[in-house]
Amino acid sequence: KAGVTQTPRYLIKTRGQQVTLSCSPISGHRSVSWYQQTPGQGLQFLFEYFSETQRNKGNFPGRFSGRQFSNSRSEMNVSTLELGDSALYLCASSLGSVGAASSYEQYFGPGTRLTVT
Amino acid sequence: GDSVTQMEGPVTLSEEAFLTINCTYTATGYPSLFWYVQYPGEGLQLLLKATKADDKGSNKGFEATYRKETTSFHLEKGSVQVSDSAVYFCALRGSSASKIIFGSGTRLSIRP
Repeated sequence: KAGVTQTPRYLIKTRGQQVTLSCSPISGHRSVSWYQQTPGQGLQFLFEYFSETQRNKGNFPGRFSGRQFSNSRSEMNVSTLELGDSALYLCASSLGSVGAASSYEQYFGPGTRLTVT
Repeated sequence: GDSVTQMEGPVTLSEEAFLTINCTYTATGYPSLFWYVQYPGEGLQLLLKATKADDKGSNKGFEATYRKETTSFHLEKGSVQVSDSAVYFCALRGSSASKIIFGSGTRLSIRP
């Protein structure tokens, strides 16, 4: 089974621009979660999508948004980029259905390294 | 809210040394606990997990026991190798949420 894939792997953007990151989950997984990893703040949860609906949300400003498509692929968008948005953005997929704890076991992609200049 | 506190790094050990990385948590209910590992330039890999009190997770020689009385989930390995050099994250999933809360990570370096 193919793992979680993220594209692109690296991005350089300028302050004020917007960016879209993509995540393809493991086949059969319906939940996709996004995390931001920075040296200062560590790993922080952005949001989770399940069956095309946002199910959970972290404490990030509205500039960070996401969506999920019917094939479970997900995109994350950051508008009006700031220097502090430079980070590794990780996507994780899981079965996500309510029930057994194992259905929430998350598998991570390699991440997208975003640099804002 | 739920939180995870883990040992500050970096930790540097010689090959074949014994490893302990401390992790404690704060959570309501009965969280699931995890250790993830991140190798340079890669995403996170699940190393081991435990879903209830007194469970022991183990993988690749690493072990951790879910201790509810001390709210701890310390990572141990009896004999580390150079290939174990990575950043290790302790994490929890609350009983009523689908998001994972991570500790700050501990960078481990093993000298040959």
